[in-house]
Amino acid sequence: DGGITQSPKYLFRKEGQNVTLSCEQNLNHDAMYWYRQDPGQGLRLIYYSQIVNDFQKGDIAEGYSVSREKKESFPLTVTSAQKNPTAFYLCASRDRVLGSNQPQHFGDGTRLSIL
Amino acid sequence: EDQVTQSPEALRLQEGESSSLNCSYTVSGLRGLFWYRQDPGKGPEFLFTLYSAGEEKEKERLKATLTKKESFLHITAPKPEDSATYLCAVRMETSGSRLTFGEGTQLTVNP
Repeated sequence: DGGITQSPKYLFRKEGQNVTLSCEQNLNHDAMYWYRQDPGQGLRLIYYSQIVNDFQKGDIAEGYSVSREKKESFPLTVTSAQKNPTAFYLCASRDRVLGSNQPQHFGDGTRLSIL
Repeated sequence: EDQVTQSPEALRLQEGESSSLNCSYTVSGLRGLFWYRQDPGKGPEFLFTLYSAGEEKEKERLKATLTKKESFLHITAPKPEDSATYLCAVRMETSGSRLTFGEGTQLTVNP
C-alpha cells in the first residue's frame, strides 16, 4: 500500500542529545513537510521541501534541521538547541505534479518526550 | 495577520443529533480550504478541499461549505465513529503550498 511511514512511533531524548525522526513515502510525491503539534494548538510548520536537495524553513525552524537527499525520504533532526522538544511530530507529503491545490497527506506521527 | 479560527473547541453530541463545526479565516487571497479528521495518536486524514465561495462537498454524513469568510462542516445524524478532532487549514495566495491550520474542534458522539 502507498503511504507515509514515520518512525519510531515513540522517542525519548536526553538533555543535550540530538535525535532524528524518520519519514519515508512511497507515493512518488515531490513535496514533503514537517509539522509540530502541541496540545490545544494547530499544526505548526517546521521545514518543507519541494524537490530533492532543496528545503525551506517554516514558522518554527529554530532548533531543527532536515535533509532531502532522496525523493522518498525527509528526516528531521531535533537538536539540543531545541529547548522544548516534547511534542507530536507529523510528516506530510503532496503531489505537486497535479497542481498546487493537491492536499497534503500525513503519516501517523512520532511522539517525542524528554527524559 | 492571517488567522484561522475554529469553533467550538469541543462539541459533545448524542448519536443522531446533527450539528455544524465552524472555521473562520482572515486571510488575503484564499486559494484553498482543507478539512481533515484526526483520531487520537494518528495523523490527520484528508476529507475535503474547497476553492471558492458557494462550493459544497459531501462524504457520507459530512458536508463542507464555504463562504468568503468561513467554512462549515455539517455532520448529519452522527455516529460514535465520527468522534475525532476536525482540523481546517487554508492555503493563501502568498504562501505557495504552505497551509495555516486552525486549532481544531474535538467532536465526541455519545451512543
